[in-house]
Amino acid sequence: SQTIHQWPATLVQPVGSPLSLECTVEGTSNPNLYWYRQAAGRGLQLLFYSVGIGQISSEVPQNLSASRPQDRQFILSSKKLLLSDSGFYLCAWSVTSGSYEQYFGPGTRLTVT
Amino acid sequence: GQQVMQIPQYQHVQEGEDFTTYCNSSTTLSNIQWYKQRPGGHPVFLIQLVKSGEVKKQKRLTFQFGEAKKNSSLHITATQTTDVGTYFCAGSPGNQFYFGTGTSLTVIP
Repeated sequence: SQTIHQWPATLVQPVGSPLSLECTVEGTSNPNLYWYRQAAGRGLQLLFYSVGIGQISSEVPQNLSASRPQDRQFILSSKKLLLSDSGFYLCAWSVTSGSYEQYFGPGTRLTVT
Repeated sequence: GQQVMQIPQYQHVQEGEDFTTYCNSSTTLSNIQWYKQRPGGHPVFLIQLVKSGEVKKQKRLTFQFGEAKKNSSLHITATQTTDVGTYFCAGSPGNQFYFGTGTSLTVIP
């Protein structure tokens, strides 16, 4: 069966510090991968999605970047965090055809202080 | 850009009452999905609708996709405390999905 992992679960970082969040998927090949951000009490904002290794599409201009160095690994990064980067970051995967049903990881709660 | 709006943002109901959330897109969608997120948790897939005018049921939940494929609704009959959470629609014009703003449901026992 398929499993999606995200770490860390919680993170407190000072403004201006770098960020690296990692997401890995097990039990499937060549998935579509997604990064979302959810502000407190708000909806999900699509940040990046990837249909293959090295293929990243950005939805929202910001100081974040994403990379997909391996088929089932998706990394969200920042060189310098802003206060507005605080939120709940969710990684998700879907198959590349058919229903595109998305399976979400447990999320990382990031607080920038 | 793609926008998917949901109303209401919040809904408080007495246990046993019905609940409906509405989803509207600024553009025509190829399909629409619904997710539920429990407090402190991550979204969990409920269902996908593809055809114009499609209606699907899951026990007390009824999902509809509009004829123009620009709106959708989720109706819960006789709510229970286990229905508490935020319900999101997600519309897709292609590979990516755009999530609605969500409706947070509180059920008062």
